[in-house]
Amino acid sequence: GESVGLHLPTLSVQEGDNSIINCAYSNSASDYFIWYKQESGKGPQFIIDIRSNMDKRQGQRVTVLLNKTVKHLSLQIAATQPGDSAVYFCAETSSYNTDKLIFGTGTRLQVFP
Amino acid sequence: DSGVTQTPKHLITATGQRVTLRCSPRSGDLSVYWYQQSLDQGLQFLIQYYNGEERAKGNILERFSAQQFPDLHSELNLSSLELGDSALYFCASSSEGGTSVVDNEQFFGPGTRLTVL
Repeated sequence: GESVGLHLPTLSVQEGDNSIINCAYSNSASDYFIWYKQESGKGPQFIIDIRSNMDKRQGQRVTVLLNKTVKHLSLQIAATQPGDSAVYFCAETSSYNTDKLIFGTGTRLQVFP
Repeated sequence: DSGVTQTPKHLITATGQRVTLRCSPRSGDLSVYWYQQSLDQGLQFLIQYYNGEERAKGNILERFSAQQFPDLHSELNLSSLELGDSALYFCASSSEGGTSVVDNEQFFGPGTRLTVL
């Protein structure tokens, strides 16, 4: 498959453990955030989003936490499975420039048995 | 499978050449977005079209152009290619026509890998 970001930071976790992927953003005006998952050979896939008026949002096995004070976003994956192996990106947009997403560089998640 | 298709999957060409990448959006989606993903810069938004009209522009070079046809498929044209244009090019589609990405989920295709030699 296609390789993306050969020099991405990598998080290795054991199957069944919880994973935490972090993202720091620089624009204090950013107020909408999305986490994407990109598997090898595929395009990015929407996982979960959060607005800046929230600190936490939960989906199916995933939780996104937003700390606006330190401009930090995290994605928590519960009971990590081999199918979760992928590159994960955060993306942001601000209220005064909502026509495009700014993507982070990504983190590679590797799940081993 | 997102429902967005892109052709070709791989493209190898030489510097100075021109190529055309093609994208078919999900059935019913009117907006098409183009992105470039390179190893050193990650995903970058290039341009958005809605129902045939340009709607938003990002970091698209003047050597690049795009269009959306009446059947809603889109083409990205890259000319005077340089080594630095080697990248993955993704197309995404959404149902909304506004420029805001908020609550406007984009569905990405599998990408075209362009290699410029």
